[in-house]
Amino acid sequence: EIVLTQSPGTLSLSPGERATLSCRTSQSVSTSYLAWYQQKPGQAPRLLIYGASIRATGIPDRFSGSASGTDFTLTISRLEPEDFAVYYCQRYGNSPPMYTFGQGTKLEIK
Amino acid sequence: QVQVQESGPGLVKPSGTLSLSCVVSGGSITNNWWSWVRQSPGKGLEWIGEIYHNGRTNYNPSLRSRVTISVDVSKNQFSLQLTSVTAADTAVYYCARNTVYCSDFWGQGTLVTVSS
Repeated sequence: EIVLTQSPGTLSLSPGERATLSCRTSQSVSTSYLAWYQQKPGQAPRLLIYGASIRATGIPDRFSGSASGTDFTLTISRLEPEDFAVYYCQRYGNSPPMYTFGQGTKLEIK
Repeated sequence: QVQVQESGPGLVKPSGTLSLSCVVSGGSITNNWWSWVRQSPGKGLEWIGEIYHNGRTNYNPSLRSRVTISVDVSKNQFSLQLTSVTAADTAVYYCARNTVYCSDFWGQGTLVTVSS
């Protein structure tokens, strides 16, 4: 079973700063299978990034994703007030076919 | 634009069966996989399972023994049944469209509480 570990659990930053969120997988996974979501209180998750680095439709270019081995990173270049939320990584696995989420990183205003 | 909307009872008794439906609008249910995801209060996201329009399913192994997901192509909807529920199954349940190994369109979610 592949486990996704997100860090940090909570990240406290100010608007305008750069945010770097990490998602580490316990086994190597294809970059095609890694996605990032944003969730605000009371709302459904919103797809940000898929294929590790491809921005979903309508997602601002301050959001970017990257991968290095088993480490995946979501970077928000300059935080806007609306970016403070919880972020989840998700990975698809094909043996057995299923999706797994990380435990989430809460990005809060400092 | 595709929209998905969950519906079903908000309260289920312990040991009972949770049943939810998800109607798809703005597009066809064919040619995509469709997922159910849940989120317990204050917790993270848990994938429950998915279905294709031909009825093929994949389930989370941790829930497989209690979950059935079905599809009704004529109604452009799919459904979730979870049996033998306990308080641990209290959660917001989301339906979503899958594409390219992710979920791009999500319903607003529906809270299901397991309580007597």
